Amino acid sequence: DTGVSQDPRHKITKRGQNVTFRCDPISEHNRLYWYRQTLGQGPEFLTYFQNEAQLEKSRLLSDRFSAERPKGSFSTLEIQRTEQGDSAMYLCASSQYGQENYGYTFGSGTRLTVV
Amino acid sequence: AQSVTQLGSHVSVSEGALVLLRCNYSSSVPPYLFWYVQYPNQGLQLLLKYTSAATLVKGINGFEAEFKKSETSFHLTKPSAHMSDAAEYFCAVTPSEYSSASKIIFGSGTRLSIRP
Repeated sequence: DTGVSQDPRHKITKRGQNVTFRCDPISEHNRLYWYRQTLGQGPEFLTYFQNEAQLEKSRLLSDRFSAERPKGSFSTLEIQRTEQGDSAMYLCASSQYGQENYGYTFGSGTRLTVV
Repeated sequence: AQSVTQLGSHVSVSEGALVLLRCNYSSSVPPYLFWYVQYPNQGLQLLLKYTSAATLVKGINGFEAEFKKSETSFHLTKPSAHMSDAAEYFCAVTPSEYSSASKIIFGSGTRLSIRP
């Protein structure tokens, strides 16, 4: 297992365009989390899935944001009509239900720049 | 609700000196506590975790942290700093009692710089 993979690593897009990020978690992990991190700040929780069910969404996740995990494996995070304020690092993490004491395994993130 | 406060957004020490990064937590239930490290343009790597076993926790790269319930603290230390320790460090908390709201909450981070 190669850990949590995120694609792409970097994305530059023009304001108003749609972008989609992908996350492949550790295969045995049934929980998948999305966080957003802006410069000089800690990661902020966006949403998480257990298998294919989206169990919680942050108020940070506006209606322009949507996340899916259709088969309980990989997940996508889509941002529609991007704004400059969406520029951030988007981090994905995974864990196994009931083993949160082990912490999460994070991917390397997708850095989004909206110009 | 859980939260963590990291005192000092930037800490600078000389190579070979003691590293002390401060973290205080707030939790209505017994917490699990974590320290993560982040190198530039990388994801977060788990340094160590407290899960209600030993209060002194040893992690990777010579770091350790002590859980002090009376002080609601979980400070990170390393006896002798190395240049490779320069990075951003995040303290994080999650409730030990599993619930649907078991997400990890992060502090705002402390940037550690090492002076030659």
